[in-house]
Amino acid sequence: KAGVTQTPRYLIKTRGQQVTLSCSPISGHRSVSWYQQTPGQGLQFLFEYFSETQRNKGNFPGRFSGRQFSNSRSEMNVSTLELGDSALYLCASSDGTGASYEQYFGPGTRLTVT
Amino acid sequence: AQSVAQPEDQVNVAEGNPLTVKCTYSVSGNPYLFWYVQYPNRGLQFLLKYITGDNLVKGSYGFEAEFNKSQTSFHLKKPSALVSDSALYFCAVRDRSFQKLVFGTGTRLLVSP
Repeated sequence: KAGVTQTPRYLIKTRGQQVTLSCSPISGHRSVSWYQQTPGQGLQFLFEYFSETQRNKGNFPGRFSGRQFSNSRSEMNVSTLELGDSALYLCASSDGTGASYEQYFGPGTRLTVT
Repeated sequence: AQSVAQPEDQVNVAEGNPLTVKCTYSVSGNPYLFWYVQYPNRGLQFLLKYITGDNLVKGSYGFEAEFNKSQTSFHLKKPSALVSDSALYFCAVRDRSFQKLVFGTGTRLLVSP
């Protein structure tokens, strides 16, 4: 099976702009989670979608939003970008049918905000 | 709320020596525990997980982890380290009702030749 893919891999944006990141999960996986990774804060959970519904949400401001499509692909949007949003954004997929499931991560999108 | 602690920012070990990366957790009830590894400029890769049963869990690349309920620990171990094991290791926990996976801050493992 193909792994989790994320596009784009690298992105440079200016403060105040908005950005959309995309994630295609492993075929058959219905759960997609998003994480922000920074050197100072480590891995922080943004949100999880399962069958097009947001199932869990982390403690991020409303500028961060996401959605999931019927084919399980997911997008994450960040509006009004701030310098502090510079990070590696990781997407992870799983079959999501039980709490014991492991997640499979994509390579990430590195966002730089200038 | 569930949480994970990885007390060491970095672990240094010589190639061929055994390695241990420490992890302690806090969760209501019985936990699901995971170890992931991240190589430079890559996403996280799943190594192993504890669900129930045998306290010693074996995973990928010769790694294993020991679940200790009384000490609330889930340390990652390998009998003989390789230089290629050098990477960032994350411990994670999820309780059996709350679906969010919580990660530790990560431990950088450096294996010297």
